[in-house]
Amino acid sequence: EDKVVQSPLSLVVHEGDTVTLNCSYEVTNFRSLLWYKQEKKAPTFLFMLTSSGIEKKSGRLSSILDKKELSSILNITATQTGDSAIYLCAGVAAGGTSYGKLTFGQGTILTVHP
Amino acid sequence: DTGVSQDPRHKITKRGQNVTFRCDPISEHNRLYWYRQTLGQGPEFLTYFQNEAQLEKSRLLSDRFSAERPKGSFSTLEIQRTEQGDSAMYLCASSWPATDTQYFGPGTRLTVL
Repeated sequence: EDKVVQSPLSLVVHEGDTVTLNCSYEVTNFRSLLWYKQEKKAPTFLFMLTSSGIEKKSGRLSSILDKKELSSILNITATQTGDSAIYLCAGVAAGGTSYGKLTFGQGTILTVHP
Repeated sequence: DTGVSQDPRHKITKRGQNVTFRCDPISEHNRLYWYRQTLGQGPEFLTYFQNEAQLEKSRLLSDRFSAERPKGSFSTLEIQRTEQGDSAMYLCASSWPATDTQYFGPGTRLTVL
């Protein structure tokens, strides 16, 4: 059975801090890894990673995939209170009828204090 | 608004009643997914459609759950004889063919009393 584990489960920081969120995966026929941000509503898409070692960047957020270690990290620099949310990572399987199914981790709850 | 929409946003029901939720995906998306999310957990996959064909169902989806996508556009998820353990957020997502990025709707929060 596919499995995704995130750490830490929760994190409390102050504005301006830099945080690193971790995601490890065991997904049969792994195809890609996705990061989402969830704020009291539906998850919103952040990044999709398919190739190892290539950093994806969007403003203060960046993410990278390590296929050898079956893991990914999400970095947020100069955190703001608006970054407070649950950050979810999900592995995507390829092939057969499971194509495209997301297996989510339990999420990391990030709280940024002013 | 051209995003994924779900209806209703909230549903409170008594144990034993049937409920039905609707999802309207982004119009060009042929793949539609249902997930369930409980407090403190990430979403769990329930079922998936490509056009009108239901291609996979999770073992989580008991016989009381049924989903349809009759014309390959909107989808419905029905839960019969609801139980308190069914209380959760039910999320719908859609995607283009051959892409992995799924776009989520606002969800339907179900409370079973």
